Amino acid sequence: GAVVSQHPSWVICKSGTSVKIECRSLDFQATTMFWYRQFPKQSLMLMATSNEGSKATYEQGVEKDKFLINHASLTLSTLTVTSAHPEDSSFYICSARTGVRAKNIQYFGAGTRLSVL
Amino acid sequence: QQQVKQSPQSLIVQKGGISIINCAYENTAFDYFPWYQQFPGKGPALLIAIRPDVSEKKEGRFTISFNKSAKQFSLHIMDSQPGDSATYFCAARPTLDSWGKLQFGAGTQVVVTP
Repeated sequence: GAVVSQHPSWVICKSGTSVKIECRSLDFQATTMFWYRQFPKQSLMLMATSNEGSKATYEQGVEKDKFLINHASLTLSTLTVTSAHPEDSSFYICSARTGVRAKNIQYFGAGTRLSVL
Repeated sequence: QQQVKQSPQSLIVQKGGISIINCAYENTAFDYFPWYQQFPGKGPALLIAIRPDVSEKKEGRFTISFNKSAKQFSLHIMDSQPGDSATYFCAARPTLDSWGKLQFGAGTQVVVTP
């Protein structure tokens, strides 16, 4: 299957600082990537849809100014958690979509555990 | 509201047994139904997927059964192994969603005992 690389895998930061998470599709081009948040023992919650060359589309209730998404190329999307606070601590996962709609598949990165002190 | 309902929440099965996880959807047309396996601290990995024009798909020990009229689909893990212990998520992709977003079930934690 296709490979999606997510970096870093774990980050600890102080309250008030910003953290950037990278998501790369290593062996395919992804015009669309997705960012999820997952709390312990819960399902994946879609935060936003990231499209190359255009503004991200955020799900209802997700703060655009808190979670900045940039999809600068067909293989890279970044999520920046700005002015992070302890309540932002969570597991963040990206996915990249391959192929045309009829055959597209979402492949996930390994996730980033964010701990805000 | 959750459009894909998954059960059970957790499951314990003995090694060699069959694990069965069920999912049901309501009202919305979906055209693609993947199952993902997630180990603790890792991202979900695509396990197997099915489209609505097929009633069953098998890949190794994993089988999806799909009942279009009942709007239900299930994952069967045959000859379950301790290495299968993980959380499994069913998902469905709405036909009308241009981005290919997935609606996920709540997840089932499977524990396979030796």
